[in-house]
Amino acid sequence: GAVVSQHPSRVICKSGTSVKIECRSLDFQATTMFWYRQFPKKSLMLMATSNEGSKATYEQGVEKDKFLINHASLTLSTLTVTSAHPEDSSFYICSASTDGTTNEKLFFGSGTQLSVL
Amino acid sequence: GQQVMQIPQYQHVQEGEDFTTYCNSSTTLSNIQWYKQRPGGHPVFLIQLVKSGEVKKQKRLTFQFGEAKKNSSLHITATQTTDVGTYFCAGNDMRFGAGTRLTVKP
Repeated sequence: GAVVSQHPSRVICKSGTSVKIECRSLDFQATTMFWYRQFPKKSLMLMATSNEGSKATYEQGVEKDKFLINHASLTLSTLTVTSAHPEDSSFYICSASTDGTTNEKLFFGSGTQLSVL
Repeated sequence: GQQVMQIPQYQHVQEGEDFTTYCNSSTTLSNIQWYKQRPGGHPVFLIQLVKSGEVKKQKRLTFQFGEAKKNSSLHITATQTTDVGTYFCAGNDMRFGAGTRLTVKP
């Protein structure tokens, strides 16, 4: 199956700093990628839909200036958590479908555990 | 957007017992997908259902899509310890249900 690589797997940062998370589709082109946030033992909360070459679509309640998404190529989307605070600590996970629609299964990255001190 | 409700939140069974998790949507779905997330891992795609009343099987797992395409279920027959994890459904807008965490006692 298709492979989605997410990096880093774990990051610890100081409050006020920014953290960039990368999500790459390794063997397919992903015109659309999805970013989720997951709290311990909770469900995946869709944060935004990332579209190659255009602005991301954010879910209600997700601050676009706080969570910057860039999808500059067909194989790479990045999520930058700006001016991180302890409440931003969470598991962030990206996914992509092979044809960029919502009718195809999602392939998930391995996730990034962010801890803000 | 659509909202997908999933129950139960937790299920603890003895190995060999059956397990079922249910998803219900407030709106008609074009498709529904099921994923499994092992502890410490990421969600892995299990199956997609598209047709009204569709039933699909994967070994001990049986997936159903309701006639009205608003509900779905995942049934595991004779659970094994390898079935441990959280099972999520997702509607066609990529929003996930709350998940059902399955634990299996050997």
